[in-house]
Amino acid sequence: SQQGEEDPQALSIQEGENATMNCSYKTSINNLQWYRQNSGRGLVHLILIRSNEREKHSGRLRVTLDTSKKSSSLLITASRAADTASYFCATGIGNQFYFGTGTSLTVIP
Amino acid sequence: DGGITQSPKYLFRKEGQNVTLSCEQNLNHDAMYWYRQDPGQGLRLIYYSQIVNDFQKGDIAEGYSVSREKKESFPLTVTSAQKNPTAFYLCASSPRTGGLNYGYTFGSGTRLTVV
Repeated sequence: SQQGEEDPQALSIQEGENATMNCSYKTSINNLQWYRQNSGRGLVHLILIRSNEREKHSGRLRVTLDTSKKSSSLLITASRAADTASYFCATGIGNQFYFGTGTSLTVIP
Repeated sequence: DGGITQSPKYLFRKEGQNVTLSCEQNLNHDAMYWYRQDPGQGLRLIYYSQIVNDFQKGDIAEGYSVSREKKESFPLTVTSAQKNPTAFYLCASSPRTGGLNYGYTFGSGTRLTVV
């Protein structure tokens, strides 16, 4: 399978806590992206990390990539109720991106 | 504002009927994509187009057809041959083929239900 697998499938935290979700994959990738999807809406691109990068930051988001372990993590710091959504990783292989099944994050106010 | 517009937001299809989902972008993006999303599953690629008048099958193209007559438009037809069409359909675009250096821009989706 070329798509990543997110872990955990569901995560529930209190507002202000940090949320960490992971993505594991099986084949070599060109890059990896993370997306957010609010219920019933389209996906919103969060961050792209290339295969030669190890870490990227964007606001409260921190993404790491370990190509030796074929895994990536998304950290959301100081979570807010508005962060409640599903989060997907997408592995870039060839000329396509392959999307995982997502992590459902619930931030409790 | 630039973006992708999908219409309609909700669509109901009778058995044996073909329906067409609209996707229009004003981002001047070269590549466009159609994905299907089912509950508990990731997005699965139906068709993609890298350039006008050219498109490629994705992983689940059976029962679907597309056209790319204009750069801005990439409509998807769900034919009667698609036996289980009830799903959430998402259109996306990117500036270059595969969007290797760019994120995808997604529309807000069309929810298709067979009645």
